[in-house]
Amino acid sequence: DTGVSQDPRHKITKRGQNVTFRCDPISEHNRLYWYRQTLGQGPEFLTYFQNEAQLEKSRLLSDRFSAERPKGSFSTLEIQRTEQGDSAMYLCASSPPGGGQFFGPGTRLTVL
Amino acid sequence: AQTVTQSQPEMSVQEAETVTLSCTYDTSESDYYLFWYKQPPSRQMILVIRQEAYKQQNATENRFSVNFQKAAKSFSLKISDSQLGDAAMYFCAYGRTGTYKYIFGTGTRLKVLA
Repeated sequence: DTGVSQDPRHKITKRGQNVTFRCDPISEHNRLYWYRQTLGQGPEFLTYFQNEAQLEKSRLLSDRFSAERPKGSFSTLEIQRTEQGDSAMYLCASSPPGGGQFFGPGTRLTVL
Repeated sequence: AQTVTQSQPEMSVQEAETVTLSCTYDTSESDYYLFWYKQPPSRQMILVIRQEAYKQQNATENRFSVNFQKAAKSFSLKISDSQLGDAAMYFCAYGRTGTYKYIFGTGTRLKVLA
């Protein structure tokens, strides 16, 4: 499969726990994006990378959130001390230099 | 700040008929991209069509076409010969040239009636 993949697809955790999600972009896509989507809403931008550099972070990305993209390939999004308000679908997308984002299936997070 | 507005939370269309989904946006930029994405239930988002702001010609992809009115900041999607598989949430998105960070609307749920 040559599309964007995300792991896990579903995550249920208890409030206060840490969680980490992984995104594998399409090969040779130099840009990688994280979005959050809550029920009935469109995706909201969280952060993006060009190669390994994190170039922009949204105000939505509190100090409890951290994202990395070591070596400019896969990326991880970690949420520390999860809160019920963090429950959402976390989407990853990648794009080639010319633009046009391809989305992964998302990781659905439920915080109890 | 840029915003994207989809004023139709839900639309219905009879199979084989044509439907138009509306989208308006606000930006002070002159160089940008606009997109329509489709998100079927419990499935991932798929790019339907893309429009570069500098192009006057409206984009077309098979049964999907757009009406891009740059001065009015309007970007509607027309689906011709609607099929049952077109049923999904449709999101309009704005992408600023350079970052390609997207701003999405709240979506329009399209129902296709057999």
